[in-house]
Amino acid sequence: EAEVAQSPRYKITEKSQAVAFWCDPISGHATLYWYRQILGQGPELLVQFQDESVVDDSQLPKDRFSAERLKGVDSTLKIQPAELGDSAMYLCASSSLTGTVNRNSPLHFGNGTRLTVT
Amino acid sequence: GQQVMQIPQYQHVQEGEDFTTYCNSSTTLSNIQWYKQRPGGHPVFLIQLVKSGEVKKQKRLTFQFGEAKKNSSLHITATQTTDVGTYFCAGPSAGGTSYGKLTFGQGTILTVHP
Repeated sequence: EAEVAQSPRYKITEKSQAVAFWCDPISGHATLYWYRQILGQGPELLVQFQDESVVDDSQLPKDRFSAERLKGVDSTLKIQPAELGDSAMYLCASSSLTGTVNRNSPLHFGNGTRLTVT
Repeated sequence: GQQVMQIPQYQHVQEGEDFTTYCNSSTTLSNIQWYKQRPGGHPVFLIQLVKSGEVKKQKRLTFQFGEAKKNSSLHITATQTTDVGTYFCAGPSAGGTSYGKLTFGQGTILTVHP
């Protein structure tokens, strides 16, 4: 079964440094999401792309976070500068369709990048 | 904003016992999805419920969507050690029914003692 690829799997960085995460969605999936999951909590959406366009970034801390999906395929999430509170799992997910009025397409998650900021 | 709440936060059971987790939304949902996240893993889609009062079964798992479409439950019969993990419900964010934006509950962590 096709999978969402993410790298790196783990990242340790010092505060104030820059970090970047990469995601390659399942081939053909037009919708890509970046979620942040703090230990013991559910995933929280940071940004959603439809092809190369941002559909929702209302929860993205834009002063330090940026995301791009230039060719509508793979995506990069960047944090600069990293803060201690950014330590979390960063999950990328993709879905094949944006759904219909009453039905959402299931999300396919990657293995995530666990970020530790020291 | 929309809130999706799950209870309990933790559940410890002996193998063979049943388990239920409940999900409540502050708003009416067009649908609800359930995901399972194994320890150290990523969330994996289990099922989606769309209709009011809908009940779906997957082997020992029974999913229910409330009549008012504001709550849902997941029941596992005769738990096994392979059921260990965190179970999340997720519903479309307000105004996001067709745009795929999901709000996740905080999850119920299930531990099964052999």
